Amino acid sequence: DAKTTQPPSMDCAEGRAANLPCNHSTISGNEYVYWYRQIHSQGPQYIIHGLKNNETNEMASLIITEDRKSSTLILPHATLRDTAVYYCIVRVGTSGTYKYIFGTGTRLKVLA
Amino acid sequence: NAGVMQNPRHLVRRRGQEARLRCSPMKGHSHVYWYRQLPEEGLKFMVYLQKENIIDESGMPKERFSAEFPKEGPSILRIQQVVRGDSAAYFCASSPQGGETQYFGPGTRLLVL
Repeated sequence: DAKTTQPPSMDCAEGRAANLPCNHSTISGNEYVYWYRQIHSQGPQYIIHGLKNNETNEMASLIITEDRKSSTLILPHATLRDTAVYYCIVRVGTSGTYKYIFGTGTRLKVLA
Repeated sequence: NAGVMQNPRHLVRRRGQEARLRCSPMKGHSHVYWYRQLPEEGLKFMVYLQKENIIDESGMPKERFSAEFPKEGPSILRIQQVVRGDSAAYFCASSPQGGETQYFGPGTRLLVL
């Protein structure tokens, strides 16, 4: 019942930009897109989130298409420590009952 | 500001025993979420609690599983009469308000023998 689809795996050369795509074609108008990553089996780490505008922080950039049916997480200069499973998540629900629906994620391997 | 804390980090139980997993949210956070992760899978939502209230338990198995978040103390996820299929990593997350960004703890790895 995940609302997102992601490629199962990707490789990226160290120092290059990593572009991780996500499809969320059934997203509703008020549902946010969140990105987390999970390194080894640690707890998921928050990266970034957005509704319709592109967002940037110290970790990454989030590009959301105008129709909001897909988005791309960009790690501008990938390092070996960015090797992880990256989850694109749609936050569903209504005020006071929001929750995350995780998909299966993309396993990103950064290569030296 | 300490992050979300979970204990124990590892828990081994024999079939039929009870497992109690504890989660202390970040300071100032009053909303707690529990997730379960099976090997090589994504996280599955289990339950969402606010202090003394269960907001959404749609992901909780109907039997043997319960959760609480009392006015004082940590949130507790309780699994009675554990079976081998309960072996998984259980993650807790907290947020200051419902719907705001969730911050995850390190997880509890439950192994049922």
